[in-house]
Amino acid sequence: SQQGEEDPQALSIQEGENATMNCSYKTSINNLQWYRQNSGRGLVHLILIRSNEREKHSGRLRVTLDTSKKSSSLLITASRAADTASYFCATVGYQAGTALIFGKGTTLSVSS
Amino acid sequence: EAGVAQSPRYKIIEKRQSVAFWCNPISGHATLYWYQQILGQGPKLLIQFQNNGVVDDSQLPKDRFSAERLKGVDSTLKIQPAKLEDSAVYLCASSLLGGRAINEQFFGPGTRLTVL
Repeated sequence: SQQGEEDPQALSIQEGENATMNCSYKTSINNLQWYRQNSGRGLVHLILIRSNEREKHSGRLRVTLDTSKKSSSLLITASRAADTASYFCATVGYQAGTALIFGKGTTLSVSS
Repeated sequence: EAGVAQSPRYKIIEKRQSVAFWCNPISGHATLYWYQQILGQGPKLLIQFQNNGVVDDSQLPKDRFSAERLKGVDSTLKIQPAKLEDSAVYLCASSLLGGRAINEQFFGPGTRLTVL
């Protein structure tokens, strides 16, 4: 079963605007990762945040994690048309394996 | 460095036929994963290998799906016989470390399977 639930399911914005996507999960996690998927480049890792971290930045990306609420958010600032893609949060638990458990994703459309 | 390679990229078969997918992970990556992604959903783990041993295959439908990773490098995933609900993209991923190590996974382009 899928662990994360992204919100919203779909988001349409104009270039230059910020995009915020949220993710909620159900069980305790070791870390949470965000991935982007588009037809051109497949599934690509964006950023990883550990359970003892609250915020992380990478370029135009900002990720927050609230383990008390079991939620995370991904902020993309100054969006570009090239950011058009599906975005997935994926969690890793404390079990021995390191497989990702993905949510259903948010589809982001950025128009110029 | 070269990424994760998968073949074929597309496959169309009829139900009850067999199909096999191949994956070559990034050189030196110990852990290899197969995911199934149904249209409109996120990827779901089918099986995870560490070197040539199985770490997790709890979500693999073992009555029809099988996978192996010979010599701890390449891997094949087989479906026999295929059902309509197996139509999906099959993604292979690899990561450098395994066990409880925290690291990112690198995904291949996937194989899109259509079962008619």
